[in-house]
Amino acid sequence: DIQMTQSPSSLSASVGDRVTITCRASQSVTPYLNWYVQRSGKAPKLLIYAASSLQRGVPSRFSGSGSGTEFTLSISSLQPEDFGTYYCQQSFSSPITFGQGTRLEIK
Amino acid sequence: EEQLVESGGGLVKPGGSLRLSCAASGFTFSTYSMNWFRQVPGKGLEWVSSISNSGTSIYYADSVKGRFTVSRDNAGNSLYLQMNSLRAEDTAVYYCARSPGLAAPDNGNCFDPWGQGTLVTVSS
Repeated sequence: DIQMTQSPSSLSASVGDRVTITCRASQSVTPYLNWYVQRSGKAPKLLIYAASSLQRGVPSRFSGSGSGTEFTLSISSLQPEDFGTYYCQQSFSSPITFGQGTRLEIK
Repeated sequence: EEQLVESGGGLVKPGGSLRLSCAASGFTFSTYSMNWFRQVPGKGLEWVSSISNSGTSIYYADSVKGRFTVSRDNAGNSLYLQMNSLRAEDTAVYYCARSPGLAAPDNGNCFDPWGQGTLVTVSS
């Protein structure tokens, strides 16, 4: 199985800050890397697919980049509604696997 | 609005069975692959199963293979997960989710939307 490791595991940032979350895969998963956010008690929501494509309806302050085994999710100007847990996910190889999550708290 | 609504969760004893349902609305259900995921409360996400739009291609995680069966009713816009021989480690919130491409787990799929989830608790 491909192991997905996110860093940091948690972070606290202020409104307006730029935030970056990193996801590393145990082997190349290019380009099949997706990002989701899960707010407390809610279902995951797709933000970025295929490493860098913005899902319809997702604000443009979210962006994704990377290739091979290292990927990043960036939020250019943090908003209060961006709190939650962010997950990366690969569908390059079976089984589909997720990172352990990055918990983002708003200061 | 594209929507998925799960139901059927509950408390079941080890070794018991449960059938989850996922009702789809707001999109043409028969043209999409569908998937089941689960999440132990407070923990991460785990893929469980995928089924193609026609139902002819089916995939399972090793942890549920031989115990769980996924199926769908395209006429009724519904997805199902029959869970047998349940274990304590199957306790989780179960989500259904849609994917745009082929059902194969190595096909590069992303998953959107997701349902709100239904809690399955396996305990004596």
